[in-house]
Amino acid sequence: ETGVTQSPTHLIKTRGQQVTLRCSSQSGHNTVSWYQQALGQGPQFIFQYYREEENGRGNFPPRFSGLQFPNYSSELNVNALELDDSALYLCASSLAYSSNYGYTFGSGTRLTVV
Amino acid sequence: SQQGEEDPQALSIQEGENATMNCSYKTSINNLQWYRQNSGRGLVHLILIRSNEREKHSGRLRVTLDTSKKSSSLLITASRAADTASYFCATDAVRGGGSNYKLTFGKGTLLTVNP
Repeated sequence: ETGVTQSPTHLIKTRGQQVTLRCSSQSGHNTVSWYQQALGQGPQFIFQYYREEENGRGNFPPRFSGLQFPNYSSELNVNALELDDSALYLCASSLAYSSNYGYTFGSGTRLTVV
Repeated sequence: SQQGEEDPQALSIQEGENATMNCSYKTSINNLQWYRQNSGRGLVHLILIRSNEREKHSGRLRVTLDTSKKSSSLLITASRAADTASYFCATDAVRGGGSNYKLTFGKGTLLTVNP
């Protein structure tokens, strides 16, 4: 059984650029969530995808968008990068309608915007 | 917004001692989960306690939940240097239809276990 895999592990981008982060779900999981974790803070929910559709969204602007593919892998896209977007981005997979099981997180992508 | 708030923000103990971390939250929950994070990397799920449970054990971990006080505690017994990490509580809100939705995290407790 594979865990959650995220790529790349580190990324440096310039303000105004666009970035795509990738996530492969744990085998058997059909839901993918993305979280942003600023330094010294807890993770903040960005959005969740289930059956290739957005299933819920946190307080993030529309320049944060995502995709889920038929194999349940996912992408997080951020347009018009701002300095405050510098953070650790975490992907988590889970099984929908099984809310009494924990989520499986990837190791994250460290994004630095300069 | 942060739902859970861990207390203390930082805790330093000696190897072999017990470590207790507390978490408070604001709204009704379906379950509460504790996660561990080493050096700003991925989160590792430790234990989940449902809203109708009061106490749960897993190895050296003991979690309690008091829904009337909207609080939880995580006890790590006989701590080891390898337990050094940040610990987060997260609440799981279930929307109508039963689909799990999102985790809302606190800011975490940084635990340092000295050899």
